[in-house]
Amino acid sequence: QSALTQPASVSGSPGQSITISCTGTNTNVGSYNFVSWYQQHPGKAPKLMIFEVIKRPSGVSNRFSGSKSGNTASLTISGLQADDEAEYYCSSYAGGSTLVFGGGTTLTVL
Amino acid sequence: QVQLQESGPGLVKPSQTLSLTCTVSGDPITSGNYYWSWIRQPAGKGLEWIGRVYTTGNTDYNPSLKSRVTMTIATSKNQFSLRLNSVTAADTAIYFCARLKSYYYYLDFWGPGMLVTVSS
Repeated sequence: QSALTQPASVSGSPGQSITISCTGTNTNVGSYNFVSWYQQHPGKAPKLMIFEVIKRPSGVSNRFSGSKSGNTASLTISGLQADDEAEYYCSSYAGGSTLVFGGGTTLTVL
Repeated sequence: QVQLQESGPGLVKPSQTLSLTCTVSGDPITSGNYYWSWIRQPAGKGLEWIGRVYTTGNTDYNPSLKSRVTMTIATSKNQFSLRLNSVTAADTAIYFCARLKSYYYYLDFWGPGMLVTVSS
């Protein structure tokens, strides 16, 4: 059982927007602005998409955005494209110099 | 651009020790405020953070694996390593090495991953 809870799957049509939630507790997501999101295509390594809740690395499309409210962080993808179909993971600093991940969400572009 | 590459045996017998090395290229392993981390992913499952090592040799581990894990770093070789002892079939997974930004806890560069199977 993962420390952070994500929906198993979400789906959307090309051009639409979707949001993936990541629910933790006041010992991780709720206490630190150190939430990150990763995209993983099958057979590939994860790729950093969002860090420090809302920041995007250079080269990541501005269609990807992050937010947080209380113990829940969210990743929103707007203008869905076929290549966005992948597994998405959230992570958070959890105190005590440790990092925790969510269980992952499968995004299907219909 | 930083690149990472995992290496080591792909098959380990139960009760023995899993040993992997990550070779970093493109930047000295001592540059910037970064830790060096290991993450694993069983087939069809999610990511699990194993731990991190700093250039000084300081380490922090996932509490659930702490009793079996040792991480070391060889700055002269631009490498860091993972040892996981007393392995079982549950340790079968793809093992990734990655760079972890100090204080902000995000993993910005990853190796391609390496499958390690625990089987007799």
